[in-house]
Amino acid sequence: SAVISQKPSRDICQRGTSLTIQCQVDSQVTMMFWYRQQPGQSLTLIATANQGSEATYESGFVIDKFPISRPNLTFSTLTVSNMSPEDSSIYLCSVKSRGEYTEAFFGQGTRLTVV
Amino acid sequence: AQSVTQLGSHVSVSEGALVLLRCNYSSSVPPYLFWYVQYPNQGLQLLLKYTTGATLVKGINGFEAEFKKSETSFHLTKPSAHMSDAAEYFCAVSEGGGGNKLTFGTGTQLKVEL
Repeated sequence: SAVISQKPSRDICQRGTSLTIQCQVDSQVTMMFWYRQQPGQSLTLIATANQGSEATYESGFVIDKFPISRPNLTFSTLTVSNMSPEDSSIYLCSVKSRGEYTEAFFGQGTRLTVV
Repeated sequence: AQSVTQLGSHVSVSEGALVLLRCNYSSSVPPYLFWYVQYPNQGLQLLLKYTTGATLVKGINGFEAEFKKSETSFHLTKPSAHMSDAAEYFCAVSEGGGGNKLTFGTGTQLKVEL
């Protein structure tokens, strides 16, 4: 298993500002992902964070809005840019080791409220 | 494309009663299936997974699920509910063969009453 630390755990931000969320893993992992969980809804994959290259974004998510960095195998950041109230969600970091039968582990999430 | 349908956004059971949370999936390739639980203000914790082999899988906290290919289902059960089982449960599917993208269902909120 992997222990994932996400910071901050929650924040209240003004519209138009940006917030950077950090994800730290206690071991080297191959795959890192960022998910969004909107109020009362399920999890939606935002992007796959690739080490040393640009993240791979899912349909409906763009780099300008959600820039992602992954400088090494244990750390990644997600920035929510130019925030609006619609960005109020829980953002979760997830990690997975390469291998056919491995499962994904999740951080505790960052609860973001945009006012 | 893959998808997951969880029937019943809210399920309420009495303590000691059977828990049944339904999950149906759609996948163009043999799926890998997962159940995760989310307690309030926490991340997701893996309950159990099916990849290959035995279709009845056992997980933590007394939960189990059965993969039924003919019914495209992966329902979660527990013989006797406990108050501590109250949480939100998510079914998820990923493509087999090492596929990494998880597609989640909309979740089922389980309430356990005395």
